[in-house]
Amino acid sequence: AQSVTQLGSHVSVSEGALVLLRCNYSSSVPPYLFWYVQYPNQGLQLLLKYTTGATLVKGINGFEAEFKKSETSFHLTKPSAHMSDAAEYFCAVSGGTGNQFYFGTGTSLTVIP
Amino acid sequence: DSGVTQTPKHLITATGQRVTLRCSPRSGDLSVYWYQQSLDQGLQFLIQYYNGEERAKGNILERFSAQQFPDLHSELNLSSLELGDSALYFCASSLRPGQGSYEQYFGPGTRLTVT
Repeated sequence: AQSVTQLGSHVSVSEGALVLLRCNYSSSVPPYLFWYVQYPNQGLQLLLKYTTGATLVKGINGFEAEFKKSETSFHLTKPSAHMSDAAEYFCAVSGGTGNQFYFGTGTSLTVIP
Repeated sequence: DSGVTQTPKHLITATGQRVTLRCSPRSGDLSVYWYQQSLDQGLQFLIQYYNGEERAKGNILERFSAQQFPDLHSELNLSSLELGDSALYFCASSLRPGQGSYEQYFGPGTRLTVT
């Protein structure tokens, strides 16, 4: 079975500061990992994904994440926060034959000017 | 724009009623997923269809049902509605299930309010 834990339901950073959103997963099979962003009153938009290969994955809007199997983690980072990054971020894992996604509870990112 | 469309955008109805939510997947996507997003439960997977057939079930209540039609659009039917069914309902689509690497593309959601 797969599951995801996102540490910190709310994260606040200053504009220009490093963004770090944490995600740990549990999976009985090699996982596929995803980060999605949700802006107010919108659907979820894919930021980046890890399937196989390079463990450092680059996504849209300057975000990247590193898959660390030994730590069962897939933390999302961005070197310099922008006001437009304020949103809800969801980590998800899938694996096996069904492509069913299991989402974390989300992290709300606030960017302070 | 993800290419996934959902109608209606908002729906207000009374307890005990039945509603139908509609989803059209991205062009070429064969698999459709339904999710419920509420403040207390987070984002919960409900059900998945692939090429017209049910593929996986999640936390879907017996009062809820879904289907995928030959043109690949999908409908989620919610009946005997309760106040607790008020939530955002998302549809997502992907190319096909099976390998897990195919990302899901989400629609804008339908906000259901049960009064």
